[in-house]
Amino acid sequence: IQMTQSPSSLPASVGDSVTITCRASQSIDTSLSWYQQRPGKAPKLLIYATSSLHSGVPSRFSGSGSGTDFTLTISSLQPEDFATYFCQQSYSFSSFGGGTKVDIK
Amino acid sequence: EVQLVESGGGLVQPGGSLRLSCGASGFTFSNFNMNWVRQAPGKGLEWVSYISGSGRNMYYADSVKGRFTISRDNAKNSLFLQMNSLRDDDTAVYYCARDVFSSASSRFDYWGQGTLVTVSS
Repeated sequence: IQMTQSPSSLPASVGDSVTITCRASQSIDTSLSWYQQRPGKAPKLLIYATSSLHSGVPSRFSGSGSGTDFTLTISSLQPEDFATYFCQQSYSFSSFGGGTKVDIK
Repeated sequence: EVQLVESGGGLVQPGGSLRLSCGASGFTFSNFNMNWVRQAPGKGLEWVSYISGSGRNMYYADSVKGRFTISRDNAKNSLFLQMNSLRDDDTAVYYCARDVFSSASSRFDYWGQGTLVTVSS
């Protein structure tokens, strides 16, 4: 299953609300997770099952969608949120989107 | 505290072999499925392989099928990836990741720090 993220780059400012989109090449029900990766670090789980927040993740992160179209929204962007975000499907084995880099405008 | 620590990366020539290890602590290792995920320099994440908690079921990405073998030793809380016939495009940081299944969904909730594999002559 191919996962396509957009945009690949997202300039933003502290306090902005940003939305990242992930599209699956076929229906994956709600088997979609989101990860954050900072430079030189391992990815960290943010959201699973499309909209469930992983333990310890701030409530400004939220996810939605089903079938083939999904979104990750970060409301009120904080300095530590400038990072790259990846979606992942677990409906059939696993595959990741290409990533969205949220950087400073 | 859950910890995953990879080791075994390094420089290897094309066609060569390397064995990666991932030591686990802070949880009952045999109760969890595990994965290897890699990331080429400056690129995105690529799932490589999966093994069930018992070690009976294994799956591979097409890009490594027939060349890589995943295994685990539950008595030693360790995960392995045997990589043979290595190619330039296998160059990447390799992560081990714990797989948890609940709410009808699987996800990778803990990751190691990664180990760099460089395939070059």
